[in-house]
Amino acid sequence: SAVISQKPSRDICQRGTSLTIQCQVDSQVTMMFWYRQQPGQSLTLIATANQGSEATYESGFVIDKFPISRPNLTFSTLTVSNMSPEDSSIYLCSAPGLGEIQYFGAGTRLSVL
Amino acid sequence: DAKTTQPPSMDCAEGRAANLPCNHSTISGNEYVYWYRQIHSQGPQYIIHGLKNNETNEMASLIITEDRKSSTLILPHATLRDTAVYYCIVRVALDGANNLFFGTGTRLTVIP
Repeated sequence: SAVISQKPSRDICQRGTSLTIQCQVDSQVTMMFWYRQQPGQSLTLIATANQGSEATYESGFVIDKFPISRPNLTFSTLTVSNMSPEDSSIYLCSAPGLGEIQYFGAGTRLSVL
Repeated sequence: DAKTTQPPSMDCAEGRAANLPCNHSTISGNEYVYWYRQIHSQGPQYIIHGLKNNETNEMASLIITEDRKSSTLILPHATLRDTAVYYCIVRVALDGANNLFFGTGTRLTVIP
């Protein structure tokens, strides 16, 4: 299995500010994925972070709002920019482990006031 | 990726087997069936996956019908800690280069 550490685990932020979420994997991986889970909803993919190239964003998500960094094969960050209360969600990163298995971090619970 | 259909919720008595169904009638020959669960607000946890044969591990068993159009996840002796949302996902198994598409899942409540 892959161990994925995500921080912060939770934060409360003011409208208009930005928050950067960090995701650390205990092994080198080519792809990392960022998801959003809005209250009471299922997971939705935000973007795929491929080391050495620009992240690929899903429909409805843009780089200006959710910039992603992938400086090496074990680490990625997601920034939620210019936050509004609608950004209150759980943000999760995932990465592949041995075999055909995707593993997930514990998530970052974000509340925007 | 093939679409899956799951009942929105189920109850199960503690100590009894929990049988969670999933329909995936449009599954392709090279697509696997994966099960994950999400315990309240935590990250999804991998449970089991299979292609065509039944699979068993320390957490659960996966029964796939012969035509592969449906499957059942079995938790043999449900405990209160098994209360979670269970997601059935169908996708091609690659080298980890593809993300997972999550549907709405089944909310399983284990009752004392």
